[in-house]
Amino acid sequence: GQQVMQIPQYQHVQEGEDFTTYCNSSTTLSNIQWYKQRPGGHPVFLIQLVKSGEVKKQKRLTFQFGEAKKNSSLHITATQTTDVGTYFCAGLNSGAGSYQLTFGKGTKLSVIP
Amino acid sequence: NAGVTQTPKFQVLKTGQSMTLQCAQDMNHEYMSWYRQDPGMGLRLIHYSVGAGITDQGEVPNGYNVSRSTTEDFPLRLLSAAPSQTSVYFCASSGRGRDSPLHFGNGTRLTVT
Repeated sequence: GQQVMQIPQYQHVQEGEDFTTYCNSSTTLSNIQWYKQRPGGHPVFLIQLVKSGEVKKQKRLTFQFGEAKKNSSLHITATQTTDVGTYFCAGLNSGAGSYQLTFGKGTKLSVIP
Repeated sequence: NAGVTQTPKFQVLKTGQSMTLQCAQDMNHEYMSWYRQDPGMGLRLIHYSVGAGITDQGEVPNGYNVSRSTTEDFPLRLLSAAPSQTSVYFCASSGRGRDSPLHFGNGTRLTVT
């Protein structure tokens, strides 16, 4: 079945440093979604990428979708303590009729003030 | 607008007991799903439904049953709880289209002793 690998599993950064998490799928994706889960909270949708090579920005967050639609990344510039949480990517298989989003295991970000 | 509501928030069961985790959404979403979250394992899909009367298995369906008699409700049943089912359970819904983002409930923390 489809697998989505996400690295690193943990990342500790000093406030103001940059942060990047990477996702790789074993199969071609229809789209990829990114979610953020604050400690003790539930996952919250951040963004969706659909097109090959797509790049989207949300303030200090930059999301990329690979040309082959099998990998993606989330980059945070100048981290803040409010960025603390676990970031998940979730890929939707390109097969017709598939509704199963496959989540990566997440990257837990800690920001040291 | 309540979004996705899960009850209870916490539950402790003894091995062999049964219970139902409730999930309701008021957004008229067609797609609903149940995930379990375990440390280091990310979010794993248990069961999902693409509409009333239609359910299907996800990645880890064993030990769980679901039904979808209405658009709003998608309960998850544990027929005979096992310690391996100790986890945090999230219900999620999304609108029409298989690329719609997921809206998660606040989760149910289940402990089976």
